[in-house]
Amino acid sequence: DIEMTQSPSSLSAYVGDRVTITCRASQTIGSYLNWYQQLPGKAPKLLIYAASTLQSGVPLRFSGGGSGTDFTLTISSLQPEDFATYFCQQSYSIPPYTFGQGTKLEIK
Amino acid sequence: QVQLQESGPRLVKPSETLSLTCAVSGDSVSSDHWWSWVRQVPGQGLEWIGEISHSGSTNYNPSLKSRVTISTDSSIIQFSLHLTSVTAADTAVYFCARERTRSGTTFFDYWGQGTLVTVSS
Repeated sequence: DIEMTQSPSSLSAYVGDRVTITCRASQTIGSYLNWYQQLPGKAPKLLIYAASTLQSGVPLRFSGGGSGTDFTLTISSLQPEDFATYFCQQSYSIPPYTFGQGTKLEIK
Repeated sequence: QVQLQESGPRLVKPSETLSLTCAVSGDSVSSDHWWSWVRQVPGQGLEWIGEISHSGSTNYNPSLKSRVTISTDSSIIQFSLHLTSVTAADTAVYFCARERTRSGTTFFDYWGQGTLVTVSS
């Protein structure tokens, strides 16, 4: 299985801050990397697919980058509704699809 | 608008079988998509369980393969998960989700709200 490792596991930031979350794959996965946001008690919501393509309806302050083994999710200016847990997911080598362990973004 | 809704027993006894159904509206299980089950132990990460295609082909997580069956019924508006010989480690929120493939990558674009299943005697 391809192991996905996110860093940091948790992050505190202020509204208006720019934050970056990193996801590293245990082997190269090209651009087969997707990002999700999960609010407490809710299902994950797709933000970005293919490493950098914004899902329809997702605010432009979200962006993704990277390829190979190292990927980033950046929020350019944090809004109150962005405080959530974020997960990356690879689809390069399946089964199984695998997810990162999550990054919890908390308000400072 | 595609909607998915999980249903089934919320409490299962150890060694018994966990059975859940995902009802699909706004789309059809027979459409050109794969459909998945994903679970999440409360406070932890996401674990993909398995998937089924519109034609009934399946793939499972090797870690669960010996205990999992995913199927669709003849109405093609729902698909089901069966997980046998459950233990407390199978206590989790179970989500169903629709898959989509674009730009070569496969992602989950629609999710059910999730249902917490507790394994306990």
